[in-house]
Amino acid sequence: EAGVAQSPRYKIIEKRQSVAFWCNPISGHATLYWYQQILGQGPKLLIQFQNNGVVDDSQLPKDRFSAERLKGVDSTLKIQPAKLEDSAVYLCASSLVRVVGSPLHFGNGTRLTVT
Amino acid sequence: GDSVTQMEGPVTLSEEAFLTINCTYTATGYPSLFWYVQYPGEGLQLLLKATKADDKGSNKGFEATYRKETTSFHLEKGSVQVSDSAVYFCALSDLAGSSNTGKLIFGQGTTLQVKP
Repeated sequence: EAGVAQSPRYKIIEKRQSVAFWCNPISGHATLYWYQQILGQGPKLLIQFQNNGVVDDSQLPKDRFSAERLKGVDSTLKIQPAKLEDSAVYLCASSLVRVVGSPLHFGNGTRLTVT
Repeated sequence: GDSVTQMEGPVTLSEEAFLTINCTYTATGYPSLFWYVQYPGEGLQLLLKATKADDKGSNKGFEATYRKETTSFHLEKGSVQVSDSAVYFCALSDLAGSSNTGKLIFGQGTTLQVKP
């Protein structure tokens, strides 16, 4: 099966600019996650969708980050305006069902550098 | 809230050495436990998992046993290879408690370097 697709692979922007990341999950996967991975740290959940509804966005900096999942398939994560501390790898993951033990399938991520 | 703690890295071993990467967790309920691996330039991949106490997950020569009494899930391999060089993440998924939605909560990662 095709994996989780993310684009772009790399992005360099200046602080205060805006940026958007795109994710296409594995076909049929109802649950979609966006994680932020800062260098040297483990991934941290930003937002979790079940179909096109938000399940958990408690750690999403809502003053600058937004995400949507139209029609319960593709998703877009946006940062506006970006700060230096947003430099990280942004990982998208999907899973078939939202049950304990169901593995997450990760994309290769988008590496964001904010200068 | 739930959390995962891994041993600090990097861990540097010679080929064919024995590997242990320690992982302990704190959880509200009875979580599932996972090890994910991230090879250079690649995305996170599931290495193994265990869904209940005393379960042993295994894959590619790696093993980890879910120990509820010590809240641990240590990763082991009897003989490492250069190709095992990667970053290893311990993680849990818990649906108990109002704030747990089945998401993965990760440790900080442990870098393994295997030298020939």
